[in-house]
Amino acid sequence: DAGVIQSPRHEVTEMGQEVTLRCKPISGHNSLFWYRQTMMRGLELLIYFNNNVPIDDSGMPEDRFSAKMPNASFSTLKIQPSEPRDSAVYFCASRGDRELGGYTFGSGTRLTVV
Amino acid sequence: KNEVEQSPQNLTAQEGEFITINCSYSVGISALHWLQQHPGGGIVSLFMLSSGKKKHGRLIATINIQEKHSSLHITASHPRDSAVYICAVSSRYNNNDMRFGAGTRLTVKP
Repeated sequence: DAGVIQSPRHEVTEMGQEVTLRCKPISGHNSLFWYRQTMMRGLELLIYFNNNVPIDDSGMPEDRFSAKMPNASFSTLKIQPSEPRDSAVYFCASRGDRELGGYTFGSGTRLTVV
Repeated sequence: KNEVEQSPQNLTAQEGEFITINCSYSVGISALHWLQQHPGGGIVSLFMLSSGKKKHGRLIATINIQEKHSSLHITASHPRDSAVYICAVSSRYNNNDMRFGAGTRLTVKP
């Protein structure tokens, strides 16, 4: 298995532009998580899906952020319009059944909004 | 006060030394996780544990539920162990709700 695949690895965009981050979870994993990592706040959970259904989006900072999971093999995190304070590394992770337990993280997308 | 506290914040060791990183938490948990983040940025899950001790190669993780404390030990440390080690806990009430410590930056010098 290729693991959790995120794209792009790096994104530089101008303030006000729309940004779309993509994630392909591990096949068979039924939970998918989006995290944001900044120097100031460390890792924070933004939203997670269980069986493609958004369960908890209380970590999404503003209405400018939205996430979708149209099927079991793909999720997007969209920021529209982007702002410089959105600059961070965004990680996607997936997890299988409770018994298997551990999370598998993608390599992250480093977003810079100028 | 953060729900997950790690110590030390930074740690420098000589190759071969035994290393301990500590994690304390203040909430009810279903599991505790140790993660490793290398300078390239990728995050790897090292351990998930809810009791006792787990060992993987030179890494050992322990947890004391009563004291709400966990330790990550590295035996015979090596420069390639240099990374940020992050402690995280899954909430007792929602095991998908993971809270993270600030991380411990470990540097192992040859």
